[in-house]
Amino acid sequence: GENVEQHPSTLSVQEGDSAVIKCTYSDSASNYFPWYKQELGKRPQLIIDIRSNVGEKKDQRIAVTLNKTAKHFSLHITETQPEDSAVYFCAASIGRSQGNLIFGKGTKLSVKP
Amino acid sequence: ETGVTQSPTHLIKTRGQQVTLRCSSQSGHNTVSWYQQALGQGPQFIFQYYREEENGRGNFPPRFSGLQFPNYSSELNVNALELDDSALYLCASSAGGVGTEAFFGQGTRLTVV
Repeated sequence: GENVEQHPSTLSVQEGDSAVIKCTYSDSASNYFPWYKQELGKRPQLIIDIRSNVGEKKDQRIAVTLNKTAKHFSLHITETQPEDSAVYFCAASIGRSQGNLIFGKGTKLSVKP
Repeated sequence: ETGVTQSPTHLIKTRGQQVTLRCSSQSGHNTVSWYQQALGQGPQFIFQYYREEENGRGNFPPRFSGLQFPNYSSELNVNALELDDSALYLCASSAGGVGTEAFFGQGTRLTVV
């Protein structure tokens, strides 16, 4: 079945450094790729998303890149801050169905002051 | 906050019992998806409802069933509860169609003993 692999599972960086999280997906029909941030005990919150007709998208310190040929997409956070510490999940749509998502297993990001 | 509300927030049930979880979607949203999130894992897609009809289902047994009402709120029912059903259950609502964001509720923490 469809699958999303996410790496690394944990990531520790110094405040001000950059963080990169990578995902691969298996369903070539997937066309929507959101990233969620989940703080302990809270709901997942969308931080950025990208659609298959776009190769890169940026929102302030956060950027996402998509390589459809290789079925890779990545999250880049620059100038990390302690409040960026959380679990980050990538997801891919199941086929072209917008709200049906397959999630990666998550990356626990720790930003040390 | 997203405007998506779930009830109850916490629930303890005994193995073999049945449970009903509820989700009120955000105003204007006609699509609700349900996810199961085990501790330390990413959310797993259970099923989606669009305009009161099931619109996609993940790899969950038939004892997981759902409903969507005319006001687009939704219920998730789980029969014959098993210990492994213990998890955070999340619903997400969206306006449907390509390119629309899914907003998560705060989740219901179900513990099966």
